[in-house]
Amino acid sequence: AQTVTQSQPEMSVQEAETVTLSCTYDTSESDYYLFWYKQPPSRQMILVIRQEAYKQQNATENRFSVNFQKAAKSFSLKISDSQLGDAAMYFCAYYIYNQGGKLIFGQGTELSVKP
Amino acid sequence: DTAVSQTPKYLVTQMGNDKSIKCEQNLGHDTMYWYKQDSKKFLKIMFSYNNKELIINETVPNRFSPKSPDKAHLNLHINSLELGDSAVYFCASSQEFRQGDEKLFFGSGTQLSVL
Repeated sequence: AQTVTQSQPEMSVQEAETVTLSCTYDTSESDYYLFWYKQPPSRQMILVIRQEAYKQQNATENRFSVNFQKAAKSFSLKISDSQLGDAAMYFCAYYIYNQGGKLIFGQGTELSVKP
Repeated sequence: DTAVSQTPKYLVTQMGNDKSIKCEQNLGHDTMYWYKQDSKKFLKIMFSYNNKELIINETVPNRFSPKSPDKAHLNLHINSLELGDSAVYFCASSQEFRQGDEKLFFGSGTQLSVL
């Protein structure tokens, strides 16, 4: 069964510092997509970054970057120059084509940012 | 314009009642989804539709019945509501994957409270 594991229920970072959120996944597929979504207290699900599994180059979006290790099935998110507005629940997710196509989420990591 | 809109945002009802949540997307996507977020913030897929056709039914009780009158709309009807149905329900849409810019767009969620 495909699973996504986020081993850090909570993380904390000082404003302007860098933090890394961990994610591992289990799959037998070779072609898939990986995502990080952010859910602030407003409840809205916001896409932070995505990665195609066939691309070796790590995706980056401004202050957000990933470390994609396909062989290790690891997909961590690095947030640089953390801002107060980054405080949120972060979900790692994996899209599988089989069984109709669906996004499977990890348990989430609650990130707090200290001023 | 809101890309994926769902109504209502909040729904408080008594056990045993029947209620509906509506979802509409104006992105021209072929695929729509319903996700349930429980009290521990875990997100799990319930259903997906592709061009009005049911693709995924993820072992959801028969009391939950999705309906897609056209590819821009996916409604969720829940019969005989139970206390355990209390959760946040998210609608989402995506274009077909492997056609570029693959990602899910989420609505703002409906918080359902069953008393």
